[in-house]
Amino acid sequence: GIQVEQSPPDLILQEGANSTLRCNFSDSVNNLQWFHQNPWGQLINLFYIPSGTKQNGRLSATTVATERYSLLYISSSQTTDSGVYFCAVESGRGSTLGRLYFGRGTQLTVWP
Amino acid sequence: DAGVIQSPRHEVTEMGQEVTLRCKPISGHNSLFWYRQTMMRGLELLIYFNNNVPIDDSGMPEDRFSAKMPNASFSTLKIQPSEPRDSAVYFCASSRGQLEAFFGQGTRLTVV
Repeated sequence: GIQVEQSPPDLILQEGANSTLRCNFSDSVNNLQWFHQNPWGQLINLFYIPSGTKQNGRLSATTVATERYSLLYISSSQTTDSGVYFCAVESGRGSTLGRLYFGRGTQLTVWP
Repeated sequence: DAGVIQSPRHEVTEMGQEVTLRCKPISGHNSLFWYRQTMMRGLELLIYFNNNVPIDDSGMPEDRFSAKMPNASFSTLKIQPSEPRDSAVYFCASSRGQLEAFFGQGTRLTVV
């Protein structure tokens, strides 16, 4: 299957700071999603972004499919941004069609 | 739409008992996934269905685990007999084909 590596594994920020989370993947992908797992364990969809750039409020994401990476930008971070951010990819081919492979996540802690 | 609905939210059971987890996918979605999340292994795919047919069950740990999807709006994951090492959060997710996947709130299973 596809290998997904996320960095950094942990990130601690002061409220108001900006951050960049990275996701590298080992093969071409048909689908890439970013999720936020909040402290209550819920997985919340942030972006569906197999390529290009999208923005949603203080969050934006860019996927460069040809270079096999995606970036998630968080600007003016708030304490409610705390949690784990997951990148997940799907190859769109063969026996793994439809299957999402997850990275280990980036644990973000934002202090007031 | 109410999103992906899972039940129960929490389950505590004794070792050896049968456990059944339930999932209702988003209406119109034809792909359904069962994931398990643990600290050691992160998020791992157990099985997924396409149009109610199991496509890939290679992630099912062993014969104690079984999953069914009798119709487009309902799926179950059963563990019989349960063991303490099955303790984890079990997520159900659905998507329309290979498009964006959405997760339920999960079932936290504790086997004592």
